[in-house]
Amino acid sequence: ETGVTQTPRHLVMGMTNKKSLKCEQHLGHNAMYWYKQSAKKPLELMFVYNFKEQTENNSVPSRFSPECPNSSHLFLHLHTLQPEDSALYLCASSQGGYQETQYFGPGTRLLVL
Amino acid sequence: EDQVTQSPEALRLQEGESSSLNCSYTVSGLRGLFWYRQDPGKGPEFLFTLYSAGEEKEKERLKATLTKKESFLHITAPKPEDSATYLCAVQALSGNTPLVFGKGTRLSVIA
Repeated sequence: ETGVTQTPRHLVMGMTNKKSLKCEQHLGHNAMYWYKQSAKKPLELMFVYNFKEQTENNSVPSRFSPECPNSSHLFLHLHTLQPEDSALYLCASSQGGYQETQYFGPGTRLLVL
Repeated sequence: EDQVTQSPEALRLQEGESSSLNCSYTVSGLRGLFWYRQDPGKGPEFLFTLYSAGEEKEKERLKATLTKKESFLHITAPKPEDSATYLCAVQALSGNTPLVFGKGTRLSVIA
């Protein structure tokens, strides 16, 4: 595997389900990010981890819970989501913090019914 | 507040018909301006970073330029495989601040 990988690529869940999104980067980077991409809207930064420490939580509802066990892996735990949470969830990584170029994974397309 | 506005929202070109995409920005001191390409159902792919007014970068049929208020992505003799959404993002100089993205320009190149 190379670059940034995300699983699953597609996910359909009910509002009462609990699911997790997984991201893995193979670039030796130290910072990882979760973004939400909705139609007709710019990418929205959700969470940032730098050296496994959460450095940004962009006023994200508590039904989204991130986890970063090491510099290569990032999870987004989902529970009791709403239909408006349906979107493309993108993971990215960079060598250092914000000042470095971010490289994105392919995303997970989430549909909440 | 830092802002990025991309225009047009959508652009349809014939193969070989050169054009430019615009990214206007307001930021409290620019550290860098980033261009990404995004294909449907995929994540953004990094293209260029520009740091100062007057800077230009090229990759195949793409050329990015930067002024103090905007950036242009020039596409010369585009091919159908250039069809994608092109995203622009800026990062402010002050502090450790995240990227601010525009909504993108959806480019379609027709053979």
